[in-house]
Amino acid sequence: EAGVTQFPSHSVIEKGQTVTLRCDPISGHDNLYWYRRVMGKEIKFLLHFVKESKQDESGMPNNRFLAERTGGTYSTLKVQPAELEDSGVYFCASSQKPAGGLRAPDTQYFGPGTRLTVL
Amino acid sequence: AQSVTQPDIHITVSEGASLELRCNYSYGATPYLFWYVQSPGQGLQLLLKYFSGDTLVQGIKGFEAEFKRSQSSFNLRKPSVHWSDAAEYFCAVGARGNNDMRFGAGTRLTVKP
Repeated sequence: EAGVTQFPSHSVIEKGQTVTLRCDPISGHDNLYWYRRVMGKEIKFLLHFVKESKQDESGMPNNRFLAERTGGTYSTLKVQPAELEDSGVYFCASSQKPAGGLRAPDTQYFGPGTRLTVL
Repeated sequence: AQSVTQPDIHITVSEGASLELRCNYSYGATPYLFWYVQSPGQGLQLLLKYFSGDTLVQGIKGFEAEFKRSQSSFNLRKPSVHWSDAAEYFCAVGARGNNDMRFGAGTRLTVKP
């Protein structure tokens, strides 16, 4: 079974440019998450999709970030325009079971991340 | 909301020595605790998780962790470290009813020959 894949593995752009990151979750996983790790800090939650719907986007830093998951399969995260503080590693994860009620959180499987450098 | 602290940013141990990585969490209800490892160029891999039951949890690659409610800790241990264990380790806490996990800042492990 293929794991979570992310593309590109590394992106270097200039301030003001646009970048689009892609995540392909494990097949059959309805839940998809985006996280970000800024240099040396903790991994922070950005948002959570259940199929094509945004379940929770409370972690999105501002409106320069736009995440989509058309068709409930792969997801893209666009940063437009990019700023210096957007540099970091962007992780995607997927899980199978839905959250909710008294259910324990499902195990999330992570991709290798995309390292974004904004100059 | 839940939070996690990993007090050690970087730890160096000799190959064959024992290892303990510290993790302290803050959460008002029953925590769901995880340890992940990230090797260079790889994604985060789940080492082990604690949801309930036995407070000593066994994971992959010979790792174990012990949940201590009184100390709000979930420390990761391994009796004998191998050079391949050099990586970054993340502790995370999840909450009932949602999948929003909180991660610590990570502990980078260096293994000396």
